Amino acid sequence: KAGVTQTPRYLIKTRGQQVTLSCSPISGHRSVSWYQQTPGQGLQFLFEYFSETQRNKGNFPGRFSGRQFSNSRSEMNVSTLELGDSALYLCASSLVDASYEQYFGPGTRLTVT
Amino acid sequence: DAKTTQPNSMESNEEEPVHLPCNHSTISGTDYIHWYRQLPSQGPEYVIHGLTSNVNNRMASLAIAEDRKSSTLILHRATLRDAAVYYCAGANNLFFGTGTRLTVIP
Repeated sequence: KAGVTQTPRYLIKTRGQQVTLSCSPISGHRSVSWYQQTPGQGLQFLFEYFSETQRNKGNFPGRFSGRQFSNSRSEMNVSTLELGDSALYLCASSLVDASYEQYFGPGTRLTVT
Repeated sequence: DAKTTQPNSMESNEEEPVHLPCNHSTISGTDYIHWYRQLPSQGPEYVIHGLTSNVNNRMASLAIAEDRKSSTLILHRATLRDAAVYYCAGANNLFFGTGTRLTVIP
Protein backbone atom coordinates (compact mmCIF):
# COMPACT_ATOMS: atom_id res chain seq x y z
CA LYS A 1 0.00 0.00 0.00
CA ALA A 2 1.44 3.38 -0.98
CA GLY A 3 2.27 5.78 1.82
CA VAL A 4 1.33 9.41 2.27
CA THR A 5 2.69 11.55 -0.55
CA GLN A 6 3.29 15.28 -0.48
CA THR A 7 4.06 17.63 -3.33
CA PRO A 8 6.17 19.53 -3.91
CA ARG A 9 9.01 18.32 -1.69
CA TYR A 10 10.85 21.64 -1.77
CA LEU A 11 9.64 25.14 -2.42
CA ILE A 12 11.21 28.58 -2.34
CA LYS A 13 8.92 31.59 -2.20
CA THR A 14 9.27 35.32 -1.66
CA ARG A 15 7.74 37.18 1.26
CA GLY A 16 4.23 38.33 0.41
CA GLN A 17 3.51 35.52 -2.04
CA GLN A 18 1.11 32.66 -1.43
CA VAL A 19 1.70 28.93 -1.62
CA THR A 20 -0.37 25.77 -1.95
CA LEU A 21 0.86 22.41 -0.71
CA SER A 22 -0.72 19.09 -1.62
CA CYS A 23 -1.15 15.83 0.28
CA SER A 24 -2.44 12.45 -0.86
CA PRO A 25 -3.34 10.18 2.08
CA ILE A 26 -3.00 6.43 2.27
CA SER A 27 -5.80 4.76 0.33
CA GLY A 28 -8.84 4.30 2.56
CA HIS A 29 -7.76 6.89 5.12
CA ARG A 30 -10.34 9.60 5.61
CA SER A 31 -8.64 11.90 8.07
CA VAL A 32 -5.84 14.26 7.06
CA SER A 33 -3.94 16.48 9.48
CA TRP A 34 -1.32 19.12 8.78
CA TYR A 35 1.60 20.12 10.99
CA GLN A 36 4.31 22.76 10.86
CA GLN A 37 7.76 21.70 12.06
CA THR A 38 10.46 24.23 12.91
CA PRO A 39 13.64 23.94 15.00
CA GLY A 40 12.35 26.51 17.47
CA GLN A 41 8.72 25.47 17.90
CA GLY A 42 8.87 21.78 17.06
CA LEU A 43 5.80 20.04 15.65
CA GLN A 44 2.72 22.23 15.78
CA PHE A 45 -0.76 21.16 14.74
CA LEU A 46 -2.36 23.26 12.01
CA PHE A 47 -5.69 21.57 11.22
CA GLU A 48 -7.46 18.26 10.67
CA TYR A 49 -9.93 17.40 7.93
CA PHE A 50 -12.38 14.52 7.72
CA SER A 51 -14.90 13.99 4.94
CA GLU A 52 -14.14 17.44 3.51
CA THR A 53 -14.88 19.15 6.86
CA GLN A 54 -12.39 20.82 9.15
CA ARG A 55 -12.69 19.14 12.54
CA ASN A 56 -9.89 20.74 14.51
CA LYS A 57 -7.79 23.84 14.09
CA GLY A 58 -4.55 24.81 15.78
CA ASN A 59 -3.47 28.23 16.93
CA PHE A 60 -2.32 29.70 13.61
CA PRO A 61 -3.39 32.94 11.91
CA GLY A 62 -6.06 32.98 9.24
CA ARG A 63 -3.37 33.15 6.54
CA PHE A 64 -3.16 29.38 6.96
CA SER A 65 -6.06 27.53 5.42
CA GLY A 66 -6.80 24.12 4.06
CA ARG A 67 -9.36 21.96 2.37
CA GLN A 68 -10.08 18.34 1.66
CA PHE A 69 -11.55 16.88 -1.49
CA SER A 70 -14.03 14.05 -1.90
CA ASN A 71 -11.18 11.60 -2.61
CA SER A 72 -9.61 12.58 0.75
CA ARG A 73 -6.72 14.41 -0.88
CA SER A 74 -5.96 17.65 0.92
CA GLU A 75 -4.33 20.98 0.22
CA MET A 76 -3.12 23.69 2.53
CA ASN A 77 -2.63 27.29 1.53
CA VAL A 78 -0.56 30.01 3.12
CA SER A 79 -1.21 33.53 1.93
CA THR A 80 0.96 36.62 2.37
CA LEU A 81 4.02 34.59 3.28
CA GLU A 82 6.29 35.80 6.06
CA LEU A 83 9.89 34.82 6.74
CA GLY A 84 8.73 32.96 9.85
CA ASP A 85 6.63 30.63 7.71
CA SER A 86 9.81 28.87 6.58
CA ALA A 87 9.37 25.34 7.89
CA LEU A 88 8.79 21.70 7.08
CA TYR A 89 5.08 21.16 6.51
CA LEU A 90 3.97 17.64 7.28
CA CYS A 91 0.79 15.91 6.31
CA ALA A 92 -0.49 12.86 8.20
CA SER A 93 -3.38 10.54 7.44
CA SER A 94 -5.31 8.18 9.66
CA LEU A 95 -8.12 5.75 9.13
CA VAL A 96 -10.89 7.55 10.98
CA ASP A 97 -9.64 10.43 13.10
CA ALA A 98 -6.56 11.78 14.83
CA SER A 99 -7.05 9.56 17.87
CA TYR A 100 -5.89 6.67 15.70
CA GLU A 101 -2.29 6.17 14.68
CA GLN A 102 -1.21 8.65 12.05
CA TYR A 103 1.05 8.03 9.09
CA PHE A 104 3.15 10.97 8.01
CA GLY A 105 4.37 11.98 4.61
CA PRO A 106 7.95 13.14 3.98
CA GLY A 107 6.94 16.78 4.20
CA THR A 108 7.31 19.87 2.05
CA ARG A 109 10.28 22.08 2.91
CA LEU A 110 9.15 25.70 2.41
CA THR A 111 11.74 28.46 2.39
CA VAL A 112 10.54 32.06 2.38
CA THR A 113 13.10 34.68 1.32
CA ASP B 1 -3.41 24.44 26.10
CA ALA B 2 -2.27 20.92 26.85
CA LYS B 3 1.42 20.71 27.72
CA THR B 4 3.60 17.80 26.65
CA THR B 5 7.22 17.75 27.85
CA GLN B 6 10.15 15.44 27.21
CA PRO B 7 13.89 15.44 27.98
CA ASN B 8 15.99 16.81 25.14
CA SER B 9 18.29 13.81 24.82
CA MET B 10 19.07 10.36 26.17
CA GLU B 11 21.75 7.76 25.57
CA SER B 12 21.60 3.99 25.69
CA ASN B 13 23.98 1.16 25.10
CA GLU B 14 23.13 -1.19 22.27
CA GLU B 15 20.98 -4.20 23.27
CA GLU B 16 19.97 -2.61 26.58
CA PRO B 17 16.43 -1.43 27.42
CA VAL B 18 15.55 2.23 27.02
CA HIS B 19 12.83 4.09 28.90
CA LEU B 20 11.79 7.38 27.29
CA PRO B 21 9.59 9.54 29.56
CA CYS B 22 6.91 12.07 28.67
CA ASN B 23 4.78 14.32 30.87
CA HIS B 24 1.22 15.18 29.83
CA SER B 25 0.34 17.77 32.42
CA THR B 26 -3.14 18.70 31.17
CA ILE B 27 -4.30 15.65 29.26
CA SER B 28 -8.02 14.89 29.43
CA GLY B 29 -9.52 11.54 30.28
CA THR B 30 -10.53 10.60 26.75
CA ASP B 31 -7.40 11.65 24.86
CA TYR B 32 -5.07 9.04 23.47
CA ILE B 33 -1.31 9.27 23.95
CA HIS B 34 0.78 8.62 20.86
CA TRP B 35 4.49 8.11 20.24
CA TYR B 36 6.37 8.64 17.00
CA ARG B 37 10.02 8.67 15.96
CA GLN B 38 11.70 10.67 13.27
CA LEU B 39 14.88 10.06 11.32
CA PRO B 40 16.69 12.88 9.51
CA SER B 41 14.96 14.04 6.31
CA GLN B 42 11.91 11.86 6.97
CA GLY B 43 8.45 12.39 8.38
CA PRO B 44 7.65 10.99 11.82
CA GLU B 45 6.95 7.26 11.99
CA TYR B 46 4.18 5.86 14.21
CA VAL B 47 5.46 3.74 17.10
CA ILE B 48 2.61 3.06 19.51
CA HIS B 49 -0.44 4.61 21.19
CA GLY B 50 -2.70 3.96 24.14
CA LEU B 51 -5.41 5.37 26.39
CA THR B 52 -5.19 4.03 29.92
CA SER B 53 -3.60 0.62 30.14
CA ASN B 54 -0.15 -0.48 29.07
CA VAL B 55 0.23 -1.42 25.41
CA ASN B 56 2.66 -3.64 23.53
CA ASN B 57 3.43 -4.04 19.85
CA ARG B 58 6.30 -5.40 17.80
CA MET B 59 8.22 -2.13 18.05
CA ALA B 60 7.85 -1.11 21.67
CA SER B 61 5.81 -1.02 24.86
CA LEU B 62 3.94 1.94 26.29
CA ALA B 63 3.43 2.37 30.00
CA ILE B 64 0.82 4.95 31.03
CA ALA B 65 0.66 6.24 34.59
CA GLU B 66 -2.55 5.67 36.51
CA ASP B 67 -3.30 9.42 36.57
CA ARG B 68 -2.34 9.63 32.86
CA LYS B 69 -0.10 12.61 33.53
CA SER B 70 2.92 10.73 32.26
CA SER B 71 3.83 7.94 29.89
CA THR B 72 6.97 5.96 29.15
CA LEU B 73 8.01 4.45 25.85
CA ILE B 74 10.02 1.30 26.38
CA LEU B 75 12.37 -0.11 23.77
CA HIS B 76 13.26 -3.53 25.12
CA ARG B 77 16.61 -3.93 23.35
CA ALA B 78 17.97 -0.82 21.68
CA THR B 79 19.62 -1.27 18.32
CA LEU B 80 21.58 1.23 16.25
CA ARG B 81 18.53 1.57 14.00
CA ASP B 82 16.56 2.91 16.98
CA ALA B 83 18.66 6.09 17.05
CA ALA B 84 16.15 8.85 16.24
CA VAL B 85 14.17 11.71 17.75
CA TYR B 86 11.20 10.33 19.68
CA TYR B 87 8.06 12.42 20.07
CA CYS B 88 5.15 11.88 22.41
CA ALA B 89 1.84 13.51 21.57
CA GLY B 90 -1.13 14.18 23.78
CA ALA B 91 -4.72 15.22 23.12
CA ASN B 92 -5.16 12.88 20.17
CA ASN B 93 -2.08 14.14 18.30
CA LEU B 94 -2.88 17.82 18.79
CA PHE B 95 0.06 18.61 21.08
CA PHE B 96 3.51 17.18 20.43
CA GLY B 97 6.42 17.27 22.83
CA THR B 98 9.70 18.80 21.72
CA GLY B 99 11.23 15.37 21.22
CA THR B 100 13.97 13.29 22.81
CA ARG B 101 17.04 12.58 20.71
CA LEU B 102 18.06 8.99 21.45
CA THR B 103 21.68 8.06 20.87
CA VAL B 104 22.52 4.36 20.84
CA ILE B 105 26.11 3.53 21.72
CA PRO B 106 27.54 0.39 20.10
